[in-house]
Amino acid sequence: EAGVTQFPSHSVIEKGQTVTLRCDPISGHDNLYWYRRVMGKEIKFLLHFVKESKQDESGMPNNRFLAERTGGTYSTLKVQPAELEDSGVYFCASSPQDRYGYTFGSGTRLTVV
Amino acid sequence: AQTVTQSQPEMSVQEAETVTLSCTYDTSESDYYLFWYKQPPSRQMILVIRQEAYKQQNATENRFSVNFQKAAKSFSLKISDSQLGDAAMYFCAYRSANTGNQFYFGTGTSLTVIP
Repeated sequence: EAGVTQFPSHSVIEKGQTVTLRCDPISGHDNLYWYRRVMGKEIKFLLHFVKESKQDESGMPNNRFLAERTGGTYSTLKVQPAELEDSGVYFCASSPQDRYGYTFGSGTRLTVV
Repeated sequence: AQTVTQSQPEMSVQEAETVTLSCTYDTSESDYYLFWYKQPPSRQMILVIRQEAYKQQNATENRFSVNFQKAAKSFSLKISDSQLGDAAMYFCAYRSANTGNQFYFGTGTSLTVIP
């Protein structure tokens, strides 16, 4: 089966610009998660979708971040306007109803300059 | 809140030798899962091994095994007969069995395998 796909793999934007990251989960996976790793630090949870609904968005850093999941399929994470501290690697993961099967994507490396 | 600590930012091992990566965690829960994930450069993060906290027996997956010490809240990963393909960033992670689906990760250990 196809894995979790994220794109772009890399993005370099200027401070103040907008960037949209996309995640395509494994087909049939109801659960979709976003995580972020700031350089040298731990990977931190951002939010969790169950189908198209936000189950838990407690990790979203501020209102410059907006996540959506259209029709319970792919998800986007928009950062507007981007700040320097938003730089990092953004990971997406998906799982079926079974909580064990948690598959990660390769991540999007975002650099804000 | 749960925290996961990996105290070794970088490790290296000679090919064919054995290396142990350390991980400790803090939780007040009794039922949880622990994981080691591996991320090769620019590639997908993949699950290496998983341990259920209620199981006393240490998990093993081929050359990968863990030393799970529940009382000490320690979860180290041993890689035997290291191969060049083992070079990657390794993340230790915790997940509650009862509350929420999110993972708590450590800061990672970068493993270099020397030919």
